[in-house]
This record gives sequence, C-alpha cells and structure tokens, in this order.
Amino acid sequence: EVQLVESGGGLVQPGGSLRLSCAASGFTLSDHYMDWVRQAPGKGLEWVGRTGDKATGYTTAYAASVKGRFTISRDDSKNSLYLQMNSLKTEDTAVYYCARRNRVTTKEFDYWGQGTLVTVSS
Amino acid sequence: EIVLTQSPDFQSVTPKEKVTITCRASQSIGSQLHWYQQKPDQSPKLLIKYASQSFSGVPSRFSGSGSGTDFTLTINSLEAEDAATYYCHQSSSLPITFGQGTRLEIK
Repeated sequence: EVQLVESGGGLVQPGGSLRLSCAASGFTLSDHYMDWVRQAPGKGLEWVGRTGDKATGYTTAYAASVKGRFTISRDDSKNSLYLQMNSLKTEDTAVYYCARRNRVTTKEFDYWGQGTLVTVSS
Repeated sequence: EIVLTQSPDFQSVTPKEKVTITCRASQSIGSQLHWYQQKPDQSPKLLIKYASQSFSGVPSRFSGSGSGTDFTLTINSLEAEDAATYYCHQSSSLPITFGQGTRLEIK
C-alpha cells in the first residue's frame, strides 16, 4: 500500500526556518517525481515545487513565490522527501502536502500525504 | 503561467442530480488536465487524469471530457458522499497550476 506521511510542521516566527519531511512507503521513491503542494487555511491548492526521479537526475523546480527560500531534497535510501523552508513569511502559513507523480507518465499526482500544518506568526 | 478558471465556485445540489463543473485554461494545454476531489479535513484524491481517464477505484459516475482550453467534470447521479471541493490541475507547463476549486454542497 502506498503511504506518504508528512511531519515537521509547527509554529515558527517570521524570518525563521523549518524542515518538513515526507516518509514514503509501499513503492520505490527513486522511480517517482515528487512534489510539495500547499493549502493556506480556507484557500485552494498551490504548487510549491518538485524533484524529478533518478532517471532525470533529480532536477528541481519551484514556484516563484518560494524560489530562493525553499529547497526540496530527497534521500532515497531512507525513502524520504524533504522541504527546507528558510526566510519564512506569514503568507507561507499553510498545510503542506507531499504528492507522488505517476511513475510512467510523471504528470498527475496519484497519491497525497495527509499534510502537515506550518504556521508563521510572531 | 497558465491560469485555470473553474465554474461555478459553489453549487448546492440534491442527491441523484447530475453535476457539471467546468475548467477553462488561459492557453491550450492539450489533454494535460487532471481532476481531484478534496473532502473536508482530508487530502486531495485523484479522480480523472488526462481530461477523460478515470483513476483506479474511482466510481463510474465520475467522468471527464475536453481538450485544448475547455474541460468538464461530470458527476452522474450525485451521492451524499460526493460533498467536497473539486480542483482541476494542469501539467502542460511549469509552474504547475490549479483551478480555484468548486465546492459542492449536498442539500
């Protein structure tokens, strides 16, 4: 069974840092593109960024709103995906989801984690 | 950036009714359009991929159509458990974008 479990969320002050983790099980992480998507309270879905799979050299891409502040990394030996968030702003407050892309087509998000809440506030 | 505009934003419907949600892209995206269902306090779940292909395990009352810039999600014979917010998502080009969501309320 495919499972994605996020952790690491919490309360952080503006300008602070936080590292989120996503533990994957039930599949081979290195075979898949993986993304982070966030959802501010009461709002819609916003793409944060993605890392490619092993075949594409784990290339990364980011939304303009987080580029230069957030970094996605992965440790396939630990079946884990990470989101390092620096210089946090109040508008980064959201539930953060990790999402898996289909192995073959690499386009649609076929499984999502349950999310972890990040609150940026003084 | 490709903008996806869904309509309506909100709809109140009765069980067994047929529901149609549309998603319009600001430029042609071929069939690179996917639909998700998000129930309250849950993560999104994939319903339809590539505009019209049903994801494994999704009830047959959900279907999708369209290509280019105009897409439709149809729910036939609505059930109470379909109360949720529905989002479209384009994978044609970066940045990935989502529609603003359509919330369905069951009367």
